[in-house]
Amino acid sequence: LAKTTQPISMDSYEGQEVNITCSHNNIATNDYITWYQQFPSQGPRFIIQGYKTKVTNEVASLFIPADRKSSTLSLPRVSLSDTAVYYCPLSGGGGATNKLIFGTGTLLAVQP
Amino acid sequence: DAGVTQSPTHLIKTRGQQVTLRCSPKSGHDTVSWYQQALGQGPQFIFQYYEEEERQRGNFPDRFSGHQFPNYSSELNVNALLLGDSALYLCASSRWGGGSYNEQFFGPGTRLTVL
Repeated sequence: LAKTTQPISMDSYEGQEVNITCSHNNIATNDYITWYQQFPSQGPRFIIQGYKTKVTNEVASLFIPADRKSSTLSLPRVSLSDTAVYYCPLSGGGGATNKLIFGTGTLLAVQP
Repeated sequence: DAGVTQSPTHLIKTRGQQVTLRCSPKSGHDTVSWYQQALGQGPQFIFQYYEEEERQRGNFPDRFSGHQFPNYSSELNVNALLLGDSALYLCASSRWGGGSYNEQFFGPGTRLTVL
């Protein structure tokens, strides 16, 4: 499983859409792309996962190009409570490959 | 459903001592993974347990060992503690098997400080 690369930090304002990009040039065929949110001194919280194309749930969208070497997490209309570190770890499928390889994450700071 | 629980919340040890951390998985989950998160870094995979056996291991020395019990709960043991072992230790549970990613649910972590 390859490590991922993200911007160290991003700033935004309440109500804006935020897009965080993750680079995973060495992604393997059986790797899944996942995104987690982490607040200080808490465990990471799952946001969304995908394999290819676009995935949308009630809190975010995930865009994955055809070559899968990058992915973009889109958070619509962020609020102050979205200030957190966002990670895009890769994971294999089920069984023994189901482990997460984290990079350093992106600290998103939302201003009023 | 209480989700993933970990104990203790905080722990202070001195160099050379041994420590045991505990984790109870989310209801319905049979697989437990442990991660170490140093300050300002992303979590690093330590190992994974399923059916009471270690199934996968990250790049950690043998001082780190674990156990899984028949009720799926798990322990992480660290011997001969070093200052560099100070970190947040995270437990994550999931279901085994299947062809796609099985979401890992993380606990709140145990903050270990080694003096």
